[in-house]
Amino acid sequence: EDKVVQSPLSLVVHEGDTVTLNCSYEVTNFRSLLWYKQEKKAPTFLFMLTSSGIEKKSGRLSSILDKKELFSILNITATQTGDSAIYLCAVEARAYDMRFGAGTRLTVKP
Amino acid sequence: NAGVTQTPKFRILKIGQSMTLQCTQDMNHNYMYWYRQDPGMGLKLIYYSVGAGITDKGEVPNGYNVSRSTTEDFPLRLELAAPSQTSVYFCASRNDRGNEQFFGPGTRLTVL
Repeated sequence: EDKVVQSPLSLVVHEGDTVTLNCSYEVTNFRSLLWYKQEKKAPTFLFMLTSSGIEKKSGRLSSILDKKELFSILNITATQTGDSAIYLCAVEARAYDMRFGAGTRLTVKP
Repeated sequence: NAGVTQTPKFRILKIGQSMTLQCTQDMNHNYMYWYRQDPGMGLKLIYYSVGAGITDKGEVPNGYNVSRSTTEDFPLRLELAAPSQTSVYFCASRNDRGNEQFFGPGTRLTVL
């Protein structure tokens, strides 16, 4: 059965800290892995990863995929209170069939 | 562009009632999805569509039906509402290059 597991489930840090969020997966016919940020409402797209070992970067956020070990990490450096959200990992398990993890709830305290 | 729109925003149903959640996108995307999100959980795929006239089941399709008669619209139908269908429902669309999904604002459904 396809599954996507995120850890930790929740995390509390202070502004300026660096955090690493984890996503491991077991799926058939892996096509891509995506990271989303969900604040109060709908998820918003952060990154899409298809190739192993290539880092995607956007400002203070970066992500990398390891297809051999079947996991991805999302790093956030110099965290700000605006980074507080649920971070979701999703894997395209078969064509167009997306499987989401339960998410990591990040709280950044001033 | 309005993006992905969903109606209604909120709805309370009684057990056994039926309803249709509407989803429309104006980006000419072929791929559309319906998800449900239970409290503290990630999104679970209910149904998806790769183009007008083509739909397929996702992870949790039981109790739901969909249709895709046009590129723009992808309604989700609940025939006999049950308390287990209390959830937030998100519709999403994706472009042909498959780079990201665009989500609608969600419909919060409560079945009592």
